Amino acid sequence: AQSVTQLDSHVSVSEGTPVLLRCNYSSSYSPSLFWYVQHPNKGLQLLLKYTSAATLVKGINGFEAEFKKSETSFHLTKPSAHMSDAAEYFCVVGSSASKIIFGSGTRLSIRP
Amino acid sequence: DTAVSQTPKYLVTQMGNDKSIKCEQNLGHDTMYWYKQDSKKFLKIMFSYNNKELIINETVPNRFSPKSPDKAHLNLHINSLELGDSAVYFCASSRLQGTGANVLTFGAGSRLTVL
Repeated sequence: AQSVTQLDSHVSVSEGTPVLLRCNYSSSYSPSLFWYVQHPNKGLQLLLKYTSAATLVKGINGFEAEFKKSETSFHLTKPSAHMSDAAEYFCVVGSSASKIIFGSGTRLSIRP
Repeated sequence: DTAVSQTPKYLVTQMGNDKSIKCEQNLGHDTMYWYKQDSKKFLKIMFSYNNKELIINETVPNRFSPKSPDKAHLNLHINSLELGDSAVYFCASSRLQGTGANVLTFGAGSRLTVL
């Protein structure tokens, strides 16, 4: 069985400060892990993807995530938040069983 | 060119009506999906088709019926609409089937409001 837990439903940071969105997963198989972003009234867009290559994955818009097997985590980070980063972020786990499971989402707000 | 396009973008209707949402992808992908996003932003898969064949059919009322006339199209028909059907419905597609490494390309969503 596999599952994904996003530990924070809402994160608020000031513009220019670091962003950390937390995600823990559970998977019986070697997982594929993703982060998607959803801007207001838009569809979801892939930020980055991990598929058992390098554990530190770089994505679009300055985001990156690190796969930590010992902690079963795949947290999303960005060194400096921008107003345009305000959106809903989804952590996703996929397995070789063709199951793709979405986390419950984290709403990121950016304070001026 | 829009990769995954859904129509209509907004749909407001009365309880008991029947409605359809259409989806088309021009990416050449073999697999298409319908997801439902509720008011709390939770995304749940409803159906998945690979090359016109149904491969995922989650626990969804049989009032919901997908139809894939060809691998570029996956339409969703909903009979006897209920208040709880109000949500945003997302169509998505992916290149690979049978692996959780699929990258999904999403449409912009269709917001259904049932009055």
